[in-house]
Amino acid sequence: KAGVTQTPRYLIKTRGQQVTLSCSPISGHRSVSWYQQTPGQGLQFLFEYFSETQRNKGNFPGRFSGRQFSNSRSEMNVSTLELGDSALYLCASRGPDLGAFFGQGTRLTVV
Amino acid sequence: AQTVTQSQPEMSVQEAETVTLSCTYDTSESNYYLFWYKQPPSRQMILVIRQEAYKQQNATENRFSVNFQKAAKSFSLKISDSQLGDTAMYFCAFIIIQGAQKLVFGQGTRLTINP
Repeated sequence: KAGVTQTPRYLIKTRGQQVTLSCSPISGHRSVSWYQQTPGQGLQFLFEYFSETQRNKGNFPGRFSGRQFSNSRSEMNVSTLELGDSALYLCASRGPDLGAFFGQGTRLTVV
Repeated sequence: AQTVTQSQPEMSVQEAETVTLSCTYDTSESNYYLFWYKQPPSRQMILVIRQEAYKQQNATENRFSVNFQKAAKSFSLKISDSQLGDTAMYFCAFIIIQGAQKLVFGQGTRLTINP
């Protein structure tokens, strides 16, 4: 079974730009969650999608948004990038047993 | 508030030794799952072991085992016969079965296995 695939692996963007990250979950998994990882704040929950619906959202500004497609693939978008958005963004795929499996992450650098 | 505390920011042991990583958590819920994740320098979070809170028996997975004390809200990870490949950041986390489907993570413990 293929694992969770995140693309791209690395991104460098300029302040004010927007960015879209992609996540393909494990086949059969309908839940996709996104997390931001930084040295200072650790791992923070962004949002979770299940069957194309956002079920939960963390404490992030509205610049952070996402969506999920009918094939369970998910995208995360960050608009008007700020320096503080530089982080590792991790996507997690979950099946019915609640165990979350992570992708390799997208390293976003905002300059 | 739902929190996870890992009191050991860094640990270092010799290869083949046994090491225990501590974790305490706080939640008012009674039904949840607990996890230990490993994040090596490659950055990918790897699920090491999981424990259902309703199970009294401690989970084991090869060289990895947990000591789950529900009343004390403690969930420590023991690594036996440690190997160089165990060098990584280790994160303790839990998820509530009903409600917000999000993992709550601790700040992590950086474990180094020395040859």
